[in-house]
Amino acid sequence: DVKVTQSSRYLVKRTGEKVFLECVQDMDHENMFWYRQDPGLGLRLIYFSYDVKMKEKGDIPEGYSVSREKKERFSLILESASTNQTSMYLCASSLWGGFRGYTFGSGTRLTVV
Amino acid sequence: QQQVKQSPQSLIVQKGGISIINCAYENTAFDYFPWYQQFPGKGPALLIAIRPDVSEKKEGRFTISFNKSAKQFSLHIMDSQPGDSATYFCAASTSGGSNYKLTFGKGTLLTVNP
Repeated sequence: DVKVTQSSRYLVKRTGEKVFLECVQDMDHENMFWYRQDPGLGLRLIYFSYDVKMKEKGDIPEGYSVSREKKERFSLILESASTNQTSMYLCASSLWGGFRGYTFGSGTRLTVV
Repeated sequence: QQQVKQSPQSLIVQKGGISIINCAYENTAFDYFPWYQQFPGKGPALLIAIRPDVSEKKEGRFTISFNKSAKQFSLHIMDSQPGDSATYFCAASTSGGSNYKLTFGKGTLLTVNP
């Protein structure tokens, strides 16, 4: 069964901490994405990557960065966590080309205190 | 600018009824329209998708209706069941190059009462 695995289901971090959220996919997908999900706001794209070491900003990249050193791994970095970054973070991957759906991970619920 | 508008925000349906969720888009370059289903504690999962060259696609109890001229598409769930209770997201994207990123609607929380 193909999977997108997010390393943590729940995280609690302090304001100002540097936070790493990890995502690994085993489907050899080229594209990987980070979204945040908030009630009433739906899914908002933070960053995406269509190849190793390639990244593009999504709709809300401020306060975040990403790293993709290997095809299967895409990391989201909160440089200095703030309380307004408390959210559910979802990683997804998809194949290059054609119309294929995204495969999402189960999400990381991050609380910044 | 919200490119995909989804309504209603929440929906309550009785078991056996029809659930209808609507989406409207603005970008005429969109040419792929999927629907995702999300259960609590899980990530969204692809439910059904349509291309604009057809007006309807049916998979089991789930049907997408697509109106290109009105720039609208909708999800119909026939014979709704309590197990269909979930959050549903419509989405849209353009094809070509590397840009397969989806733009999502804000979601509809569907509750099917037994």
